[in-house]
Amino acid sequence: SQTIHQWPATLVQPVGSPLSLECTVEGTSNPNLYWYRQAAGRGLQLLFYSIGIGQISSEVPQNLSASRPQDRQFILSSKKLLLSDSGFYLCAWALNTEAFFGQGTRLTVV
Amino acid sequence: GENVEQHPSTLSVQEGDSAVIKCTYSDSASNYFPWYKQELGKRPQLIIDIRSNVGEKKDQRIAVTLNKTAKHFSLHITETQPEDSAVYFCAAGFLSIKGNMLTFGGGTRLMVKP
Repeated sequence: SQTIHQWPATLVQPVGSPLSLECTVEGTSNPNLYWYRQAAGRGLQLLFYSIGIGQISSEVPQNLSASRPQDRQFILSSKKLLLSDSGFYLCAWALNTEAFFGQGTRLTVV
Repeated sequence: GENVEQHPSTLSVQEGDSAVIKCTYSDSASNYFPWYKQELGKRPQLIIDIRSNVGEKKDQRIAVTLNKTAKHFSLHITETQPEDSAVYFCAAGFLSIKGNMLTFGGGTRLMVKP
């Protein structure tokens, strides 16, 4: 069976500090991988998606970047966090089927 | 790109009543319409989905209808229970081997009062 791991679960970071959130998928090969952000009380906004190693597409311009160094690893990064980066970040995977979400990372930028 | 509108943003019902959440989408190429339930502080979980070759799908107390001509789809929950309280998201996307792009609605906070 397939599983998706996302960490950390919660994170408090000061403004201007860097960010690295990691997501890994097990039990499948060449999945499509996604990063979503959910602001408080809001919907799910697609940030990045990847259909393969090194292939990243960005849906919205922002302070964040993503990388896919391995087939089943997807990383969300920032060099300098902004207050507006606070939110609930969700990694997801899909392979010609519905999307399955990781547990999420609650990021608070202070 | 795809644009998904979801209404209402909040919905309060009495236990045992029905709840209906509606979504519209803009891209006629979308062929996959899942619904996710997100409990407080947890990840969204798929509860039901429908594909564009089907008009209605049921799973116990949950049903989804799709009107491709009008580009809208709805979630129906009958005999609501307190444990149905959560945020529900609709999504629309194109399901294919090369990609599975989902655009989500803004969510509906459903509160079922005992």
